[in-house]
Amino acid sequence: DIVMTQSPDSLAVSLGERATINCKSSQSVLYSSNGKNYLAWYQQKPGQPPKLLIYWASTRESGVPDRISGSGSGTDFTLTISSLQAEDVAVYYCQQYYSSPYTFGQGTKLEIK
Amino acid sequence: EVQMMESGGGLVQPGGSLRLSCAVSGFTFSSYAMSWVRQTPGKGLEWVSGISSGGSTYHADSVKGRFTISRDKSKNTLYLQMNNLRAEDTAVYYCAQGGRGGSDYFCSHWGQGTLVTVSS
Repeated sequence: DIVMTQSPDSLAVSLGERATINCKSSQSVLYSSNGKNYLAWYQQKPGQPPKLLIYWASTRESGVPDRISGSGSGTDFTLTISSLQAEDVAVYYCQQYYSSPYTFGQGTKLEIK
Repeated sequence: EVQMMESGGGLVQPGGSLRLSCAVSGFTFSSYAMSWVRQTPGKGLEWVSGISSGGSTYHADSVKGRFTISRDKSKNTLYLQMNNLRAEDTAVYYCAQGGRGGSDYFCSHWGQGTLVTVSS
């Protein structure tokens, strides 16, 4: 199984500042035949189901603000919120969908400093 | 608008069975991969089972041989048959729509979840 490890486990950032969350996979999730990284990012707020933010490592889901972006390739990925807003307080998860089982990271809790 | 509604959760004794259902609307159900994902209260997400648009199925090792995912395209409904339930299966179970490719298992839309509690 591919193990997904996020860092840090929690993060406190001031409003308007940059937040960066990392995700590392135990093996590459880059499919060489199509050049796509099978990596997604989700945001979950209390009492709600997760919401898809990013797929193919860097494709923003419709309606996701452009201050949220994804980057990386192979085994190392990053979710960046360029200017933290109050509504960004949540837990963030990465997921690989390269091979079954399609595992999630343990989550990163993002708070306001 | 995509809508997904899970049902069938509840309290069950260890060793018992439950069948979860997920009724969907707002998209061409037959064209998408679908997944079940669970979340233990206060904990993280665990992908449980998936089914491609073509009917291929996949399960996490923790549920293999006990859980079966299926879909009824005529009813636009996804199912999860759960047998030989254990205390560690206690969780909120979400159904999730995959990507447009039919075999892409990121979760583009999620239901609100149904709680399964396994306890004597």
